[in-house]
Amino acid sequence: DVKVTQSSRYLVKRTGEKVFLECVQDMDHENMFWYRQDPGLGLRLIYFSYDVKMKEKGDIPEGYSVSREKKERFSLILESASTNQTSMYLCASSFPPTSGRSDTQYFGPGTRLTVL
Amino acid sequence: QKEVEQNSGPLSVPEGAIASLNCTYSDRGSQSFFWYRQYSGKSPELIMFIYSNGDKEDGRFTAQLNKASQYVSLLIRDSQPSDSATYLCAVGVWAGTASKLTFGTGTRLQVTL
Repeated sequence: DVKVTQSSRYLVKRTGEKVFLECVQDMDHENMFWYRQDPGLGLRLIYFSYDVKMKEKGDIPEGYSVSREKKERFSLILESASTNQTSMYLCASSFPPTSGRSDTQYFGPGTRLTVL
Repeated sequence: QKEVEQNSGPLSVPEGAIASLNCTYSDRGSQSFFWYRQYSGKSPELIMFIYSNGDKEDGRFTAQLNKASQYVSLLIRDSQPSDSATYLCAVGVWAGTASKLTFGTGTRLQVTL
């Protein structure tokens, strides 16, 4: 079974703090993704990574950065948290479409972040 | 702007009936199509994926894809109360070595006793 884990289920931070969200997958997937999910807006892609140390911006990268030092681990960093970054953050991983296997993205349990 | 449209619902069906969920997408270059189920407060879990035009069946679930009409649907036969959830349609565009998904905002399904 695919397993994607996230470091925290719930997190409360203060405005201006630096926040790290970590994601680990055990399926040897090359691709990893960070989304945020907000009511009425659905899931929106923040950043993704297609290989170690490789990253690309998604649709809403402003205010975020990412790090992928190992294949199984993908971190999302909020350099200076703001209240409008209060959201559910979801990590996902998949094989690349060029692998010949399904490019299904499997999700972690999510981190509900509140910024006060 | 790539869009994936779903009726937000709620779609209410009696137990044992067929639930029909629909999704349209705007990007003709889309290559992979997914249905996820999401219970309140939980993360999305995969129901089915489909790549080719036509039907794909898996147990009580059937996904239908029509690329010419840019339309994908999910049928749930013999609906159960445990099927009550939000169903997310996701459409993938292959960009080099990754598939980028665009999600609809979901259709909430209620299965009534």
